[in-house]
Amino acid sequence: DAKTTQPPSMDCAEGRAANLPCNHSTISGNEYVYWYRQIHSQGPQYIIHGLKNNETNEMASLIITEDRKSSTLILPHATLRDTAVYYCIVRVIYAGNMLTFGGGTRLMVKP
Amino acid sequence: GAGVSQSPSNKVTEKGKDVELRCDPISGHTALYWYRQSLGQGLEFLIYFQGNSAPDKSGLPSDRFSAERTGGSVSTLTIQRTQQEDSAVYLCASSLFQSSYNSPLHFGNGTRLTVT
Repeated sequence: DAKTTQPPSMDCAEGRAANLPCNHSTISGNEYVYWYRQIHSQGPQYIIHGLKNNETNEMASLIITEDRKSSTLILPHATLRDTAVYYCIVRVIYAGNMLTFGGGTRLMVKP
Repeated sequence: GAGVSQSPSNKVTEKGKDVELRCDPISGHTALYWYRQSLGQGLEFLIYFQGNSAPDKSGLPSDRFSAERTGGSVSTLTIQRTQQEDSAVYLCASSLFQSSYNSPLHFGNGTRLTVT
């Protein structure tokens, strides 16, 4: 799996958009970008994924650059409950469905 | 619908004892995974099951660790002769298809194991 690089921590004001960057410069054409988050004392929670097009769901938006070497997860109106560690993962499609988690970004949403 | 259920949520055991951790995956999910997370650390892959295929045990840290999945559903992770370094949160996840590479993993809330 391609290696990802994320800032170790970020702050965001409550109600503002949280933009979490991820670098995956060695991503290959058959790898998807996945985002998960882990709120304290809970298991990781799936947020969103994409291949090359931008994606949006009820939780977040995913913006992938045209060269696919980086992406940004956007939480449009962050709340205190969005405080968590956010993991960006690229995932191959051959046998072995597991995810390889890196260090993630610890997002702190502040009032 | 019901998510991935793990039991017990907390387990304290004495060094040298055996423990069993249980995972009930989401109904219909054919793939099941075990991870562990030590305090303040990332997730470490342990083992995964897909249908009737032989499990991928490549992440198991030692032969004290084993897992089985009965009837393609419930899974049990067993740790024999527990050591203090086994203390961690053990997380189980399931997903719909192995071949469907865009099928997200759904995680339970884990079992916190403390070895005293």
